[in-house]
Amino acid sequence: NAGVTQTPKFQVLKTGQSMTLQCAQDMNHEYMSWYRQDPGMGLRLIHYSVGAGITDQGEVPNGYNVSRSTTEDFPLRLLSAAPSQTSVYFCASGTSYSGANVLTFGAGSRLTVL
Amino acid sequence: GQNIDQPTEMTATEGAIVQINCTYQTSGFNGLFWYQQHAGEAPTFLSYNVLDGLEEKGRFSSFLSRSKGYSYLLLKELQMKDSASYLCATMDSNYQLIWGAGTKLIIKP
Repeated sequence: NAGVTQTPKFQVLKTGQSMTLQCAQDMNHEYMSWYRQDPGMGLRLIHYSVGAGITDQGEVPNGYNVSRSTTEDFPLRLLSAAPSQTSVYFCASGTSYSGANVLTFGAGSRLTVL
Repeated sequence: GQNIDQPTEMTATEGAIVQINCTYQTSGFNGLFWYQQHAGEAPTFLSYNVLDGLEEKGRFSSFLSRSKGYSYLLLKELQMKDSASYLCATMDSNYQLIWGAGTKLIIKP
């Protein structure tokens, strides 16, 4: 049982390049999400999904796309990387705990855009 | 607006007790979470409070006062491995999480 697996762990891009951060979970969670974490700020939600075929925008969706073709996978695409997208990205999936959604996070992907 | 405040950094001594406070103002309220995050690692779930009062889990306890928009995480018998950031998050009326910036806890021998 691997939990939430993110790849790559580290990536350096040049401005304007595109890339995909991969996220897979083997816990059969319906809810999956992508966050970015920047120094001095709380985690910020980029996109989320409540099931296969369903995605929605979070707080900071601009410059990112997602899709959810299966329950297990939720890739995050950067369309044209910008230095402002330098951050640590976390994928998380959710399961119910006392009626609330408790998140299990992947190990993170550290992205640097030059 | 939506806002969560917690101290940026705290220092405590091994074996002691520390209380990390969190105050919040959010659009609707569907519970408050505490997560632990060691440096360079992923956040991990510690506790969830939706009703007023204290929830105890081993060395860690979490308290909530909805009328005051206030929570705290209490860590007892501190160990060096408790050195980490502690993230407070509330769930708003749309069941989305609003996160604080985290409190970095430094444990000294």
